[in-house]
Amino acid sequence: DQQVKQNSPSLSVQEGRISILNCDYTNSMFDYFLWYKKYPAEGPTFLISISSIKDKNEDGRFTVFLNKSAKHLSLHIVPSQPGDSAVYFCAAANSGGYQKVTFGIGTKLQVIP
Amino acid sequence: DAGVIQSPRHEVTEMGQEVTLRCKPISGHNSLFWYRQTMMRGLELLIYFNNNVPIDDSGMPEDRFSAKMPNASFSTLKIQPSEPRDSAVYFCASSPTDRAGNTIYFGEGSWLTVV
Repeated sequence: DQQVKQNSPSLSVQEGRISILNCDYTNSMFDYFLWYKKYPAEGPTFLISISSIKDKNEDGRFTVFLNKSAKHLSLHIVPSQPGDSAVYFCAAANSGGYQKVTFGIGTKLQVIP
Repeated sequence: DAGVIQSPRHEVTEMGQEVTLRCKPISGHNSLFWYRQTMMRGLELLIYFNNNVPIDDSGMPEDRFSAKMPNASFSTLKIQPSEPRDSAVYFCASSPTDRAGNTIYFGEGSWLTVV
């Protein structure tokens, strides 16, 4: 049973526009959420995170929004650039526990020049 | 600074053969993880070590899979005997501490194909 769900396997966006990647989770114990980015033939790399005490965290062109009541988070990329084309993994953890991070299956983003 | 180093990068083997994947974590990191990536299940945690001790192996699929960490700078994931359904990308990762929220650093992965 997938505790972290990324229901969109792929997304295409025009360069300069906003990319919105969505993620839902089912485990109420999760209180820390992360996004990782993965290029082909490389390992995932950390992108941005958010704690459940916040509802928004921004880092340059990347913003993560958290809606705890809906158990939903989203990653916004504005403006999207061709170099953002990658697979994005949503992940969640319980900050009171050890580093057991649960990942979604990923969303492949393609930014079209 | 060197990242997480995995070998081999690619492995093609016949069903029934033993496969050993190797990992060198980032120096100073005391947490090590083995993940498997498939299209259907995404990134699954197989096993987690802290200070060389296996803490959680609940993700290991079955007895054919085993992992060891004999010292702080080396870990292996072994599949014996291998089956075609084991074909996936296997990632080793490490983290500075065992607390959730610390960044996990991934290696480039070992692409395994079992024919």
